[in-house]
Amino acid sequence: QQPVQSPQAVILREGEDAVINCSSSKALYSVHWYRQKHGEAPVFLMILLKGGEQKGHEKISASFNEKKQQSSLYLTASQLSYSGTYFCGAPSGNTGKLIFGQGTTLQVKP
Amino acid sequence: GAGVSQSPRYKVTKRGQDVALRCDPISGHVSLYWYRQALGQGPEFLTYFNYEAQQDKSGLPNDRFSAERPEGSISTLTIQRTEQRDSAMYRCASSLSWSVVNEQFFGPGTRLTVL
Repeated sequence: QQPVQSPQAVILREGEDAVINCSSSKALYSVHWYRQKHGEAPVFLMILLKGGEQKGHEKISASFNEKKQQSSLYLTASQLSYSGTYFCGAPSGNTGKLIFGQGTTLQVKP
Repeated sequence: GAGVSQSPRYKVTKRGQDVALRCDPISGHVSLYWYRQALGQGPEFLTYFNYEAQQDKSGLPNDRFSAERPEGSISTLTIQRTEQRDSAMYRCASSLSWSVVNEQFFGPGTRLTVL
C-alpha cells in the first residue's frame, strides 16, 4: 500500500519552515526520504529507523513515529536549493523494495 | 566514483517493437532495483535483484516486461511488443545490499516514448 504524503504542495519564502508528512497503513521498518529536482534523478536525504536511529547527510531533520506509522520531514530556514519534490519511501517487508508516496512539491521563493 | 548509469537516455520506438533498457549499477552494489516513474508521481517499483537472482518481480505490469542481471552487475529491462501506455521514465537504482538501512542511488533514467 502506497504511503500517503501531505501536503501535496508547499510554497515558501526563503528562511521559512516547512513540514512534510508521510503516513502508512502498514507497519514500517524504516522510512526513506528522497528529493527530486525537475528533470533529475531522486537523491537520498535520510533514512529513519525503528528506535530513533537516523542516517542521512543533509541538514534536514526528521522524525519517525513507529506506533502511528508516520514520519515527518522538517525543513527549517529553507533555502532556494530546497525546492523540488520530496518523496517518502516505505520498505515492503524487511527488504529494500521501496513503495514511494505520491510526493510533495516544495517551492522556495526569494 | 561513478554513479548509476543508464542507457539509452532517450528511446523513441514504434508500437509493437521490442526495447531493451540497460542499467549499470555502482560497482560493488549487491542490490539493483527497477522503477517506472510517471510525470509528477513517485517511482513505482517494478522488480529487483540481489546479485544475479531476481528476488521480486511483482511490480512488472504484465508478461511483456522482463528483466535480467546475469552476472550480478549490469541489468537489462526488456519490454516486448511495446504499447503506447508503456511510455514513461524508467529508472534503476542500486544499493550496497537489500537491507532496509541502505540508501538507494538512482540513475538518470531512460525516457521511453512509444509512438
